[in-house]
Amino acid sequence: LAKTTQPISMDSYEGQEVNITCSHNNIATNDYITWYQQFPSQGPRFIIQGYKTKVTNEVASLFIPADRKSSTLSLPRVSLSDTAVYYCLVGDRNNAGNMLTFGGGTRLMVKP
Amino acid sequence: NAGVTQTPKFQVLKTGQSMTLQCAQDMNHNSMYWYRQDPGMGLRLIYYSASEGTTDKGEVPNGYNVSRLNKREFSLRLESAAPSQTSVYFCASSEGGDTDTQYFGPGTRLTVL
Repeated sequence: LAKTTQPISMDSYEGQEVNITCSHNNIATNDYITWYQQFPSQGPRFIIQGYKTKVTNEVASLFIPADRKSSTLSLPRVSLSDTAVYYCLVGDRNNAGNMLTFGGGTRLMVKP
Repeated sequence: NAGVTQTPKFQVLKTGQSMTLQCAQDMNHNSMYWYRQDPGMGLRLIYYSASEGTTDKGEVPNGYNVSRLNKREFSLRLESAAPSQTSVYFCASSEGGDTDTQYFGPGTRLTVL
């Protein structure tokens, strides 16, 4: 299992860019890196996924260096509604079900 | 298109009672999953079903059983509930394959007294 390490919590202010870094030193060759967002009392929601270099969608960007041992989720111009827990996951390709392991996540607090 | 639905939303059980949590998805996904989330913690995988007719244990399967009833439905059964099983239970589904994005249901909040 590729384990991930993320900061437990981060604070930011509205309008700022937030970067959350995740370490995954044991990532396997075929593993993808996926980020989910979870609001209180809701299930996690997919944000972005990548394999290498940079991926961008309407919500966020994901930066992955060449060695793939870490990744950075970038949220541009956050708002109060971005306050949530963010999980970095690496797919376990040793299991047929593409089982993903959720760590403790990063609790982002956006302040006015 | 409801996505992933779970019933019930809330449940209180006494120690030793049994119950089944229901999950259904309407996205024609191959894979389905059951997770539990304890307060302030991340999600832990209980069981998953990579495809219809197959089930496999996840990280914390003890005390649970599952049934993949058909492609749409995946149920989780607690045969003899214990206070340690007090948690929020999430069901998820995915297409399966190399880019396996999971879609989650709203959760079932279970309290075992």
